[in-house]
Amino acid sequence: NAGVTQTPKFRILKIGQSMTLQCTQDMNHNYMYWYRQDPGMGLKLIYYSVGAGITDKGEVPNGYNVSRSTTEDFPLRLELAAPSQTSVYFCASSYSYSGRSEQYFGPGTRLTVT
Amino acid sequence: AQRVTQPEKLLSVFKGAPVELKCNYSYSGSPELFWYVQYSRQRLQLLLRHISRESIKGFTADLNKGETSFHLKKPFAQEEDSAMYYCALNGGNQFYFGTGTSLTVIP
Repeated sequence: NAGVTQTPKFRILKIGQSMTLQCTQDMNHNYMYWYRQDPGMGLKLIYYSVGAGITDKGEVPNGYNVSRSTTEDFPLRLELAAPSQTSVYFCASSYSYSGRSEQYFGPGTRLTVT
Repeated sequence: AQRVTQPEKLLSVFKGAPVELKCNYSYSGSPELFWYVQYSRQRLQLLLRHISRESIKGFTADLNKGETSFHLKKPFAQEEDSAMYYCALNGGNQFYFGTGTSLTVIP
């Protein structure tokens, strides 16, 4: 199993450009999450999904969009990139949300907006 | 509001010394708490969860509801314990992470 994979690993965007961060998991997990991590800060939840076709906002959803058309994929879309979106983005998945279900993380995407 | 606080950004201890990484939380319901760890050049991964009452790699963490704390402890630190540690709270469908503590074990 590859676990959770993310592409790209690095990206530099100009202000106003758009891009999609890809996330795929092969563990048949229902729950998927997108986090961002700014320097010196903890992970902040952007969006999450409890299953195909169902998504919901986390703590910091502004400026992002997501979709979940399949169990495996959970892409994150930035429509109009802003410098405030410079961050490291992590995708994660879990079987459920309960305390017995750990989250499996991807390797992260380092995004710079200039 | 659900919050997780890790007061120490950096922590250095000598090999063989005890180590304690602090975590405090605020949550109105019954909390589910975790410690995640990120070793150099590796992914963030689960270290332990309070619901399992387990000891992983010599680490333990006890949930203290009175003090709203979930400190991570190890009696004898090893060099391979050097890593970034995050405390996390499960608040329903969402997880809330602390800002992390970077632990360095000095040989």
